[in-house]
Amino acid sequence: AQTVTQSQPEMSVQEAETVTLSCTYDTSESDYYLFWYKQPPSRQMILVIRQEAYKQQNATENRFSVNFQKAAKSFSLKISDSQLGDAAMYFCASQGGSEKLVFGKGTKLTVNP
Amino acid sequence: NAGVTQTPKFRILKIGQSMTLQCTQDMNHNYMYWYRQDPGMGLKLIYYSVGAGITDKGEVPNGYNVSRSTTEDFPLRLELAAPSQTSVYFCASSIRDRGYQPQHFGDGTRLSIL
Repeated sequence: AQTVTQSQPEMSVQEAETVTLSCTYDTSESDYYLFWYKQPPSRQMILVIRQEAYKQQNATENRFSVNFQKAAKSFSLKISDSQLGDAAMYFCASQGGSEKLVFGKGTKLTVNP
Repeated sequence: NAGVTQTPKFRILKIGQSMTLQCTQDMNHNYMYWYRQDPGMGLKLIYYSVGAGITDKGEVPNGYNVSRSTTEDFPLRLELAAPSQTSVYFCASSIRDRGYQPQHFGDGTRLSIL
């Protein structure tokens, strides 16, 4: 069974600074995918970034990038130049071997002006 | 482009009542999912479907039923509502194309059982 662990229930960052959100996972699958989703107060689930496990190169999307350490089963999200609109719950998720997506419990990010 | 549409957005039920949460998608996705999100928690999978006529249980299926008669629609049925089913429900869809593609989520339904 897949598991996803987010060890930081809450994080805060100053506007324009950089913050890293942690995620570890466990899976026995060799072919799997990892995702970060953002959930702002509006409750929408918004895809931030996707990483294919077979790719060694870390995924990036504008100010968002990941540090994917496959051997350590670690998948952290780095947000650069933080903006007020980045304030949200961030969920790490894993999918592999089936159609099921497994979520972590989330990290609440606060951005201070 | 509507994406994934859920109705209603809010609903209050009395204990023992039944209702159906509607979900429809217009992206021709073959995979559809129902999740629940309890306060301060991540999403837990209730049921999912890999295509019309095919459904399977997720992590927390008790108290719910689903059907998938068309590609577009995936309703979730609550029978004999209980306070433990108070939650926010999300429907999602995706497609299998060169690996697992991201799921697209609806805006959620906030359901309270009193």
